Amino acid sequence: DIQMTQSPSSLSASVGDRVTITCRASQGVSNYLAWYQQKPGRVPMLLIYAASTLQSGVPSRFSGTGSGTDFTLTISSLQPEDVATYYCQKYNSAPWTFGQGTKVEIK
Amino acid sequence: EVQLVESGGGVLQPGGSLGLSCAASGFSFSKYWMSWVRQAPGKGPEWVANIKQDGSEKYYVDSVKGRFTISRDNAKNSLYLQMNFLRAEDTAVYYCAKSGDKWNYPHDRWGQGTLVTVSS
Repeated sequence: DIQMTQSPSSLSASVGDRVTITCRASQGVSNYLAWYQQKPGRVPMLLIYAASTLQSGVPSRFSGTGSGTDFTLTISSLQPEDVATYYCQKYNSAPWTFGQGTKVEIK
Repeated sequence: EVQLVESGGGVLQPGGSLGLSCAASGFSFSKYWMSWVRQAPGKGPEWVANIKQDGSEKYYVDSVKGRFTISRDNAKNSLYLQMNFLRAEDTAVYYCAKSGDKWNYPHDRWGQGTLVTVSS
């Protein structure tokens, strides 16, 4: 099975900072890569699919890039409401594996 | 508005069985792949299973194959997960999640989840 590895596992940044999270697949997944945001005590929410397509209603400060094995999620200007854990997920074939998560905090 | 409401969670002993349900509303249920995703306490989400619109294709994570069965009733707008031979490591919040009209689309709507606790 394909493994999904995120880095870093956690980060602390200031409001307004540019934040980048990476997700690496152990084998190519084309662009079948999604990013989810899970705020404390809440249900995961889809942010980006097809590696770079923003889900409807998601702020434009979020963006995704990549294809094959290497992907990034970028928050262009970190806001207090972005405090959450972010997960990548591949969905090119079963199992639809999630990464282990990246916890984002405000410094 | 899309709504997914899970039910059926509870506390049970290892080796037991439990059936979960998910009532869907606000969208054409029969047109979409549906999934179950679980999240153990303090851990990340884990995809469990998904099912095609007509139930003709089903996929499972290896750890539940042979123990869990996903099914759906499009007339009732409902998704189900039958869980047998439960283990402590199956303890998690189980989410019902809507996917796309094709297999290659992620989970764009999630329910609030139902907690399953397996403990002796």
